[in-house]
Amino acid sequence: GIQVEQSPPDLILQEGANSTLRCNFSDSVNNLQWFHQNPWGQLINLFYIPSGTKQNGRLSATTVATERYSLLYISSSQTTDSGVYFCAVGLNSGGSNYKLTFGKGTLLTVNP
Amino acid sequence: ETGVTQTPRHLVMGMTNKKSLKCEQHLGHNAMYWYKQSAKKPLELMFVYNFKEQTENNSVPSRFSPECPNSSHLFLHLHTLQPEDSALYLCASSQDRGLVLNTQYFGPGTRLTVL
Repeated sequence: GIQVEQSPPDLILQEGANSTLRCNFSDSVNNLQWFHQNPWGQLINLFYIPSGTKQNGRLSATTVATERYSLLYISSSQTTDSGVYFCAVGLNSGGSNYKLTFGKGTLLTVNP
Repeated sequence: ETGVTQTPRHLVMGMTNKKSLKCEQHLGHNAMYWYKQSAKKPLELMFVYNFKEQTENNSVPSRFSPECPNSSHLFLHLHTLQPEDSALYLCASSQDRGLVLNTQYFGPGTRLTVL
């Protein structure tokens, strides 16, 4: 099946710093989503971005589908950005064309 | 608030108990999912329902039994669980099961502990 690798696995920042999270995937995809899981377990969808660039406030994401990677940028980080960031991809192939495969996530800690 | 609710939020049960997890979505979606999240592991897809029909059983043991009475509700019935089944169980929904423009919305999860 498709492989999803996220880096770094852990990241510690001071409030106000910028960061870049990376997601590499092993096959062509037609669905890629970034999620944020807060410390209480709630997963929030940040971006649906199978290709191109999107921005939402301090967050932006870029997916280069031909090179099989996606980047999530967090600018001016805040303590509320802490949590785990997941990349999930979907491959339109055969009978499992609705199946999202998740990476292991990046654990982000933003200190005040 | 994502429009997907789950109850209970926390559950502790013995290996001989029978319990059920409930998920409800208020988004008008047609597809619903159960995921398992264990410590230090990626989310694992367990079951998928599309228009109330089960379309995926990802080799899940029979001690987990899903039920989808309508497109808004999804249950996970639990019986004779093992301690290794302790995990966060997440429910999600999407417009349909097709991948194109198929954003999944997650509930807050049920933290299950099996003693």
